Amino acid sequence: EVQLLESGGGLVQPGGSLRLSCAASGFTFSNYAMSWVRQAPGRGLEWVSTISDSGGSTYFADSVRGRFTISRDTSKNTLFLQMNSLRAEDTAIYYCAKDYFRGSYLNAFDIWGQGTMVTVSS
Amino acid sequence: QSALTQPASVSGSPGQSITISCTGTSSDVGGYNYVSWYQQHPGKAPKLMIYEVSNRPSGVSIRFSGSKSGNTASLTISGLQPEDEAYYFCTSYTSSSTLPFGGGTKLTVL
Repeated sequence: EVQLLESGGGLVQPGGSLRLSCAASGFTFSNYAMSWVRQAPGRGLEWVSTISDSGGSTYFADSVRGRFTISRDTSKNTLFLQMNSLRAEDTAIYYCAKDYFRGSYLNAFDIWGQGTMVTVSS
Repeated sequence: QSALTQPASVSGSPGQSITISCTGTSSDVGGYNYVSWYQQHPGKAPKLMIYEVSNRPSGVSIRFSGSKSGNTASLTISGLQPEDEAYYFCTSYTSSSTLPFGGGTKLTVL
């Protein structure tokens, strides 16, 4: 079964850091671009970041560029999101998502995790 | 990065058809055939319903269809069923290599 499982969320103070992980299973992880999408409480979806299948290219929303870093470890089939200088407006459920097509990116996401909650508050 | 524009809500009775619009610009919706639609029930992860404007993933009902005209993409649901009640979000690739989402549309099945 194709599955994504996020972890690492929690409560952090403004200005703090957090590292999210997403463990992938059931597909060849290295063949697909991966992304993070977040959803603030009661709000819509917001694309955060994407990393290419090789890890050589990364893309970020303006709202997080310079503060967040995306990476992947193919040996562990795991996607990461390093979040620094966190702000109250970063509070959200963070989903990891798999690109639908092998070798493509910034297209469509066919598999989503259940999400991990990040709360930025003092 | 402006979000794509969707109506906040739409409604319809069982058996009817509804259409949800997603308006962007020539730098996103109008410039690329990389528009996707997602369905999200409360407390659940989003589900891909349409990709590349008008294609349905395996397992998605044929009642769901997508189209595009100029800078506006549309999702049409025919033969509305109670389980279609959910939020729907569009997204599109942009010339800046980003993937903004629309604000979301709440579909109510009366």
